[in-house]
Amino acid sequence: DTAVSQTPKYLVTQMGNDKSIKCEQNLGHDTMYWYKQDSKKFLKIMFSYNNKELIINETVPNRFSPKSPDKAHLNLHINSLELGDSAVYFCASSQDLGGGMDEQFFGPGTRLTVL
Amino acid sequence: GNSVTQMEGPVTLSEEAFLTINCTYTATGYPSLFWYVQYPGEGLQLLLKATKADDKGSNKGFEATYRKETTSFHLEKGSVQVSDSAVYFCALKGYSSASKIIFGSGTRLSIRP
Repeated sequence: DTAVSQTPKYLVTQMGNDKSIKCEQNLGHDTMYWYKQDSKKFLKIMFSYNNKELIINETVPNRFSPKSPDKAHLNLHINSLELGDSAVYFCASSQDLGGGMDEQFFGPGTRLTVL
Repeated sequence: GNSVTQMEGPVTLSEEAFLTINCTYTATGYPSLFWYVQYPGEGLQLLLKATKADDKGSNKGFEATYRKETTSFHLEKGSVQVSDSAVYFCALKGYSSASKIIFGSGTRLSIRP
């Protein structure tokens, strides 16, 4: 049983195109996240949703728009793709256990290559 | 604000060597501390965690102790294996449910047979 799944696993596209990445979690968690990991493995949080509500929105270009139709899904739509958007995008989820103890569960990642 | 600093890699060791990956943090209050591991081609997964001072997290032969006096959470393993080759991330999360998790920059570990 996959806990956090993402589609597609690989995405190769031309500059200027619009693309979406989908994420689903079957853990019953309240909070979901999108992260961007660059080629040096540096991990940067982009967005966080709690019960379909946006709670973290880091400094991300507004070409990136997350959408959470329900608390089990968090999709990421990217408009007008640029070369610098090439990275691995990870979805994650967690359940607030209180006291900062919550573990994050990560999806397998989507490798986006913009040509 | 909160931050995490971990030693830069890559770290290359021979099988059965002793491993230490240093991690120090800056935080207000009493954060929880984590080590996550990322195997090639996969997402991150939790390796171990500690939620208060002097707690020791352990898993798969790895250990880390929450040291408030030195604001450190160094990862150690007595005898590494080739299968431990991965990228290791130190992380912290504040006590409040509204605080976000902060990841270090990651340390790539390679183990030679």
